[in-house]
Amino acid sequence: QITLKESGPTLVKPTQTLTLTCTFSGFSLSRNGMSVGWIRQPPGKALEWLALIFWDDDKRYSPSLKSKLTITKDTSKDQVVLTMTNMDPVDTATYYCAKLNYYDNNVHAFDIWGQGTMVTVSS
Amino acid sequence: DIQMTQSPSSVSASVGDRVTITCRASQDIISLLAWYQQKPGKAPKLLIYRASTLQSGVPSRFSGSESGTDFTLTINTLQPEDFATYYCQQAKSFPYSFGGGTKVEIK
Repeated sequence: QITLKESGPTLVKPTQTLTLTCTFSGFSLSRNGMSVGWIRQPPGKALEWLALIFWDDDKRYSPSLKSKLTITKDTSKDQVVLTMTNMDPVDTATYYCAKLNYYDNNVHAFDIWGQGTMVTVSS
Repeated sequence: DIQMTQSPSSVSASVGDRVTITCRASQDIISLLAWYQQKPGKAPKLLIYRASTLQSGVPSRFSGSESGTDFTLTINTLQPEDFATYYCQQAKSFPYSFGGGTKVEIK
């Protein structure tokens, strides 16, 4: 059974750095073809893709947030970490990590999601 | 970047109705579209990938279709558990992008 779970602070102050950890089980991120992404959702708003890390340590970021984001993996701990600098109240959201599944060729989708963690940015 | 325009933003329907949700991509995404269902306070759940392929375990009343850059999610015979918000997502190229969501409400 594949599971993912996000952890991190629920409250951060403006200008601080947020560090979120996604701890997963049931698959290995060192396996060819595996990748894990982060998606966030402000209260009452739509989903927004943030970042993705591949099994070979290749990384992709949302261009609008690229300067604030860093995604890393620790395959020995089965974890993916997202760091977001210079937090602002507009970054208040539920943050999800999700496994990207490759079905064939170029077909893929986020098939398993964590429960999400709500982060509030306020002084 | 590819923009995903989803409509309507909300729809009121009754149990047993057929509901149709549309997503338009700003450019060709060659069927690389997924649909997700999200219930309040819960994580999204994958329903359909490759525009029309049902994820394992998803009821057959859900279906997806495409016509050019227009994609449609259809829910036949709406069930009580289908009242939720639905999102499309393109997986053609980075940055991935989601539609604005469609809330299916009880009439």
